[in-house]
This record gives sequence, structure tokens and C-alpha cells, in this order.
Amino acid sequence: GAVVSQHPSRVICKSGTSVKIECRSLDFQATTMFWYRQFPKQSLMLMATSNEGSKATYEQGVEKDKFLINHASLTLSTLTVTSAHPEDSSFYICSARGLTAYEQYFGPGTRLTVT
Amino acid sequence: DAKTTQPPSMDCAEGRAANLPCNHSTISGNEYVYWYRQIHSQGPQYIIHGLKNNETNEMASLIITEDRKSSTLILPHATLRDTAVYYCIAFRYGQNFVFGPGTRLSVLP
Repeated sequence: GAVVSQHPSRVICKSGTSVKIECRSLDFQATTMFWYRQFPKQSLMLMATSNEGSKATYEQGVEKDKFLINHASLTLSTLTVTSAHPEDSSFYICSARGLTAYEQYFGPGTRLTVT
Repeated sequence: DAKTTQPPSMDCAEGRAANLPCNHSTISGNEYVYWYRQIHSQGPQYIIHGLKNNETNEMASLIITEDRKSSTLILPHATLRDTAVYYCIAFRYGQNFVFGPGTRLSVLP
């Protein structure tokens, strides 16, 4: 199947700093990318959807000024957690959908710990 | 969007078939049944999907009832590496994938 990568796989940052997570589709062009968040022992929760060159659409309750999403190309999306706080510590997973809208592939996830 | 219901957990002996059920009684005609799994601390992995007909690939088989109100994912010879949370999702073009709590499958030696 198609490959989606994320970088970094783990990051520890201090409270108040910003962290950028990259998501890349390695062997296909992703028309739409998605960002999910997963807290321990919980399921994945969709945070936002982005199409290349457009502003992201955020789910209800997700602060767009805190979680900045950029989808500058068909193979790269970035999520920046601004002014991170300990409650932002979570597992962040990106996903990419190709031209065939029925195929969606997930990255390996990034574990963010804010101290 | 159709809601799916799965048992919270199941056990299976290594080498035996694992049959994971999913109820989706409100599924609409143009919604597919997708299965993903998530091994601990990894991103979800696509397994299989289907609309009406039964499907098989190298990982699993998907059996969908004729009325489409339920389905079963079959892992024919479960191994310890199949221990994961399995998600059944009803998906229609234009929707987003919505993950429920899934079924935690434990494959026992």
C-alpha cells in the first residue's frame, strides 16, 4: 500500500514553545490530508482536514490558532502546535487521501510530550 | 453517517481464525465497510473494505451480510503480531473516517 511518513516520531518540548510535525505522502499525491489526535486508551479524534493550497477545516472544539496546519504541496502537510502546554501531550497522526477518494493511508504517528 | 458497534475486546488462540464482528444496522446503500487496525503506538493500518460482496486479500476476509447490517472480519490464522485494536468504519465518498472505540484483539500463545 501507499506510504505516509511523519517526522519526528517523538518530540519533547517545554511548555510555551511551538512544535512542528511534518507529514509526507511518499509515493502518491495526496489531494487531502487529515490530522488526528489520540489520547491514551482512547480512539483517534479528527482535528482538521486540509486540501492542498487551501485553508484547513477544523473540527468543532479544535483551536485553529493553536494548531496551525499548512498543506503547501500535494505531498506535504505540517501541523504546528503553538505555545504548547502539557495538556497538548498526545499522539498525533496524519493521514493522506489520494486521487482515489476511497483510499486513505495513515502515518506512523508522532508522540508529543510537553513538560 | 452510519454508526458501527463492535465488542470492546476479544481473545483468540494463536494459529486459529479470529472472527471480529461489526454491527452497522443504519448503513446506507453507498457506504462502504472499512476495517483498519492499530498496533500499539503506531498509526492505523488499512486491512480491507467492501460494499456488498465478500472480499478477500492477503491479510483478511470480509464477510458482509446480505442485508448489509453487519459484517465479520476474518483473520484466517492469527499470530501474536495480529494483537491490535481493530476498527470497523462505515464510509461514504466525501465523508471523513470516524473511528469508534474498536475491538481490542488479543492473540494468545
